[in-house]
Formats: sequence, C-alpha cells, structure tokens
Amino acid sequence: AQTVTQSQPEMSVQEAETVTLSCTYDTSENNYYLFWYKQPPSRQMILVIRQEAYKQQNATENRFSVNFQKAAKSFSLKISDSQLGDTAMYFCAFTDTSGTYKYIFGTGTRLKVLA
Amino acid sequence: GAGVSQSPRYKVTKRGQDVTLRCDPISSHATLYWYQQALGQGPEFLTYFNYEAQPDKSGLPSDRFSAERPEGSISTLTIQRTEQRDSAMYRCASSLNAAGLEQYFGPGTRLTVT
Repeated sequence: AQTVTQSQPEMSVQEAETVTLSCTYDTSENNYYLFWYKQPPSRQMILVIRQEAYKQQNATENRFSVNFQKAAKSFSLKISDSQLGDTAMYFCAFTDTSGTYKYIFGTGTRLKVLA
Repeated sequence: GAGVSQSPRYKVTKRGQDVTLRCDPISSHATLYWYQQALGQGPEFLTYFNYEAQPDKSGLPSDRFSAERPEGSISTLTIQRTEQRDSAMYRCASSLNAAGLEQYFGPGTRLTVT
C-alpha cells in the first residue's frame, strides 16, 4: 500500500527566514506525482507546488521549492523568505498514474511564521 | 462555476439522523472526488466519479455511506444513521478528467454528530 509520512507535526520559523518541511512516501510505482497543499485557517486546500516523478529537476514556484529524492522517496518543501501569510497546515500528497488518481495525504505539518 | 462549491458549510446533526452533503464541481470537470478529513489529519479518499460512473468507492467506511452523481455534474454524499465517529470535514474535489492530476478542492462541509 502507498503511504505518505510527515514526521514534523509542528514547526515555526521567523519571518524572512527559510524553513524546510519533510515528507517521505512509499510506493512500488515508477510513475507518480507529488504535491504540497497549504491549508490556512480558512481551511481551504490550496495547491502550492507539484512534482512529476519522471522529472529530475526540482519544481519551483516563487518562494517555494522542493527537494525531490526519488531513490530515497523523499519530497521536502522549502519556503524561502517566510511570510506571516505562510502560517498554515501543509500537507504532502501522492498520486500514481495507474488507477484512480486519488490523492494519499500525509498527516500534515503545522507551520507558524513568527513576526 | 468559478470554483468548487459545497453546501452546507456546517452541519450539526443528532446521532442516528441521515445527512446529505452536496458538491458542485467546476463546470468543465469530468472527475469528482470525495474525501473525509478528521481533525488533525490529512484528507482520506472516500470515492470518486467519472461523469456519472463511480469506478471506485473503496474508501467508503461502511454501507451507511453512499454517493451519487446522476447527471455527471453535482454530487451528493449521504450518510445514513450518523454516528459520532462520522464527525469530520468532508471535502469534494474536481479535476478536468481522470488523468487531470490536479484536483481543485472545495471549502468542505464540517459535519458534527452530537
């Protein structure tokens, strides 16, 4: 069975600093996609960044970037120049390309950006 | 529509009652997913639809849970004889098609069973 693990229940970072959130996953599939979603206090689910497993280049979206290590099955999110608006729960999610494309989520990391 | 909408946003019901939750996906999206998110957890897959077909309902926790999408657009999730353990956020998401990969989530319905 595919699983996603986020081992950091809570993290904090000073405004303007950099923080890295960890995610590991387990799968026997070769083709899959990984995502980071942000859930602010409003409880919306907002896509932050997406990575295709067949791409070696790490995805980047403005201040957000990932470190994708396929062999290690690791997919960490780096937030640079942290802003107060980054305070949220962050969920790592996995989907493969062989079935329903349902997402498998980790348990989340609560990030607090401190002024 | 501009985004995925869900109603009601909040629902409080007594144990044993039936509830129906509604999801209105993005109008061009063929695929619709239902997830259940317990407090402090990530969303967990319940079921999904391609248009009106329901190829996978493996995540439904019991036969008290059912979903339908009769015209391939709006979907409902019904929980019969609710129990306290059903209390959770129920999220709907839609994607362009089954291989659309990116799912767009609705705001969720927070269900509380008392």
